[in-house]
This record gives sequence, structure tokens and C-alpha cells, in this order.
Amino acid sequence: GAGVSQSPRYKVAKRGQDVALRCDPISGHVSLFWYQQALGQGPEFLTYFQNEAQLDKSGLPSDRFFAERPEGSVSTLKIQRTQQEDSAVYLCASSLPRFTAGELFFGEGSRLTVL
Amino acid sequence: AQKVTQAQTEISVVEKEDVTLDCVYETRDTTYYLFWYKQPPSGELVFLIRRNSFDEQNEISGRYSWNFQKSTSSFNFTITASQVVDSAVYFCALANRDDKIIFGKGTRLHILP
Repeated sequence: GAGVSQSPRYKVAKRGQDVALRCDPISGHVSLFWYQQALGQGPEFLTYFQNEAQLDKSGLPSDRFFAERPEGSVSTLKIQRTQQEDSAVYLCASSLPRFTAGELFFGEGSRLTVL
Repeated sequence: AQKVTQAQTEISVVEKEDVTLDCVYETRDTTYYLFWYKQPPSGELVFLIRRNSFDEQNEISGRYSWNFQKSTSSFNFTITASQVVDSAVYFCALANRDDKIIFGKGTRLHILP
């Protein structure tokens, strides 16, 4: 597709369930980012990939959060044993490396609600 | 530490008025990048502008203009002759060389008809 695609758009999980959120970046984009956006807040950085290499995961809030991008294209953010505080919109963004295009292209996000 | 502060949580103006959104940043780096993004009700963040720390020239794009002042660590955004379609949440953001972008908490802008 032309833009960054995320699925599912909406996910409701019971506390303790595992969830997986998928991101399809723009074809040819080397860099891929995951952000978490709580209601009424700005996006908070989670992790960053360049191709398949995870260069920064300093924003992952706990070891229940895990991200991968095994072939340098599609990425999956996995949250194990979900908690209510994990409820947020998870945004994926991609870009050409090191701001050569000057911008991140964001998907519409996956809204996770943990009951 | 890097930080972006958008002190205005919410602003309402009547259509055709000018409005300025404030952004103050903190960084110890001499090389950094500043951004503004728009988040309409659909939720998708839309890139508006990127400036690097060595280019303090102000920029104008149609009804939008940006004022970058290193002396006050500010990167303010002005919309002239506002329109209802400008209603959105606007985020100022900062990045250094490691590509990680730090966002402010955003300013929700309401343009009233």
C-alpha cells in the first residue's frame, strides 16, 4: 500500500492475555519506530529498528513488551500478560534512514483496551 | 536530558483569527532537529515541518509559519487566517542524531466557525 498500515485497528484484551500488533511500513523505508500514545498525551517512544536491527529499545516499559522485525520489513509489537495500564494507541512510523526525507510517516495506530 | 514543553493544553479561536502554538525545548546537543506534527481526529500523525539546529531561518508555507529562536530554545508555530479544518492536536517534537524523536504533550486547537 501507499502508507504505513497497522493491524488490528482495535483490540480488546482481558488482563493477562497476550497481544500482537502488526506494522507494515512503506516499501523501501529502512527505519521503523513504535510509539505508545495514552489518551490526551503525546506519543512516547518505545523502540526503533534500522532494517532488521533493533537499535534502541530504551522506551519499552517492561520486559512484557517485545518487538521484532525479522526480515527488515514488517514489524510486530508483542505485549505479554497485558495490564490495564497498557491501554493506549500504539503507533508505528517508518522513514528513510536518518531523516533524509525529513519526516516520519505514521500509521493510524492500533488502539488497545485492556479490561 | 531532552524535553519538549507545550504549555498550551487547549486553545480555541474563532475562524479567520491568527493563532500561535508555543514550543520550548531542552537539549544538550548542538546538532538536533525540530518538528511539528498535526494529529486530526482520524488519529494519523501528519508531518508539517522539520528544521535542523543550524538553520534558524523562519519558514512560511501558505497560512503556516514557524519561528525558530535558539536564544530562547523555542520553535513556535503560527496559523494565520485559521480555518475549521485546522482543528486538531498539534505536536512539537525534538530529535538528536540517534533518530529517536521526543514529542511534547500536544496542544489541542479548536477553530470555531
